[in-house]
Amino acid sequence: EIVMTQSPATLSVSPGERATLSCRASQSISNNLAWYQQKPGQAPRLLIYGASTRATGIPARFSGSGSGTEFTLTISSLQSEDFAVYYCQQYSNWPPMYSFGQGTKLEIK
Amino acid sequence: QVQLQESGPGLVKPSETLSLTCTVYNFSINSGHYWGWIRQPPGEGLEWIGSIYQSGTTYYNPSLKRRVTISVDTSKNQFSLKLSSVTAADTAFYFCARNFMFRGVVSWFDPWGQGTLVTVS
Repeated sequence: EIVMTQSPATLSVSPGERATLSCRASQSISNNLAWYQQKPGQAPRLLIYGASTRATGIPARFSGSGSGTEFTLTISSLQSEDFAVYYCQQYSNWPPMYSFGQGTKLEIK
Repeated sequence: QVQLQESGPGLVKPSETLSLTCTVYNFSINSGHYWGWIRQPPGEGLEWIGSIYQSGTTYYNPSLKRRVTISVDTSKNQFSLKLSSVTAADTAFYFCARNFMFRGVVSWFDPWGQGTLVTVS
C-alpha cells in the first residue's frame, strides 16, 4: 500500500500571502497525484490532477508541482474562500488501490 | 453539469448491512469512466471504499473487501454500495464520485456527491 503523508497538519497564513502545502508518497507515483479542497459540510472538490494540471474552473492562484515522491500545492495570494482542508490522493496502483493523505488544514492567521 | 446524489438510510444497526445508492444526473454511467465510493468518519480523513465500471467490473479497498459489494444499474443510471456486518467504526459520511478514466488510467474523483451521513447505532 502506498502511504501518503501531508505536512504540516495545520498551516496558519494571512490573507494575501502564499501558502505551500506538501504531500509525500511512500514510493514513487510518477505524476499520478490529485489535490482536493474540502470546506466544512461540503464534499471535496478537485483542484489539481496529474500533479500540476488545474481542474476546470480552478483559479490560477492554485498550482501544483512535483513528481516521484514529493509534491507541493501552492496557493498564491490567499483569498478568504481558500481557508479549508486540503487532501492529496495518489492513483498510481493497478489494480486501483487509492490512498489519500491525512489532510492539511489551512487556517487564517 | 454532472451531478451525483447519494440516498439511503441514515441509521443502521450494528451487525446489519449498510445500503446506499448513487444516482448520476446529466451524464451517462455508460461513458467509459469508473464510479466510486469514498467515506469520511466525522472529523477525520478520506478512505476509498471501491469503484465499479459500467460492465460491473469492481475494485475494492483490501481492508474492506470482505464486507463490500458495489453494483451498477445502467438502466437507472445508478450504482450502489452494500457494506455488511457494520460496527460503530463504519459511522461516516459516504460520498459517491465519478472515478475519472484518463488515457486508460483510472484516476481522480470528480465530481463528488454531497455525501450522506450514516450512523451505526
